[in-house]
Amino acid sequence: GAVVSQHPSRVICKSGTSVKIECRSLDFQATTMFWYRQFPKQSLMLMATSNEGSKATYEQGVEKDKFLINHASLTLSTLTVTSAHPEDSSFYICSAEGPTEGYTFGSGTRLTVV
Amino acid sequence: AQSVTQLGSHVSVSEGALVLLRCNYSSSVPPYLFWYVQYPNQGLQLLLKYTSAATLVKGINGFEAEFKKSETSFHLTKPSAHMSDAAEYFCAVSGSGANSKLTFGKGITLSVRP
Repeated sequence: GAVVSQHPSRVICKSGTSVKIECRSLDFQATTMFWYRQFPKQSLMLMATSNEGSKATYEQGVEKDKFLINHASLTLSTLTVTSAHPEDSSFYICSAEGPTEGYTFGSGTRLTVV
Repeated sequence: AQSVTQLGSHVSVSEGALVLLRCNYSSSVPPYLFWYVQYPNQGLQLLLKYTSAATLVKGINGFEAEFKKSETSFHLTKPSAHMSDAAEYFCAVSGSGANSKLTFGKGITLSVRP
């Protein structure tokens, strides 16, 4: 079946630094990728939707200059959290959708900003 | 517009007992409906999905769900709970078009007592 690889699984960074999270579709071409944020004991909140080769569409309230999304190829999307602060600590999950594949989720990244 | 309601935040059953997790949806277009399971610090795994074919959908791990348009419901059931079923369960809805966004319910924690 379709597989999405997300790295790193855990990252700890200092406040003020930037962190990049990668999401790769391993055996299919992802026409659309979605980035979610999940707070403890809560549901997934969609942050943005990206299509290969075009700018991401951000949900209301999500700072596009802080959460940079790049979808440069049909198999790779990245989320960069710039100038991270402790309130950015969260669980980030990507999801990829292909022409014949449904939504396939990555395993998530636990970001801790200290 | 679309939304999902999962009433309650926690369900506890005994091992071997019936599992019933409720989901009601609202959608302005014919919906696609999904149930996902999430284990701690992991991504989401698809249990089953309804995409306008058979209203009774069978998924993995013995789970099934029935789409009832008249009740706008898509409840998840399993005849006999296993300890390994203890996890977080999310119901989600999307439209049927390309690039349709998934909207998640707030999730239900399932505990299984020995």
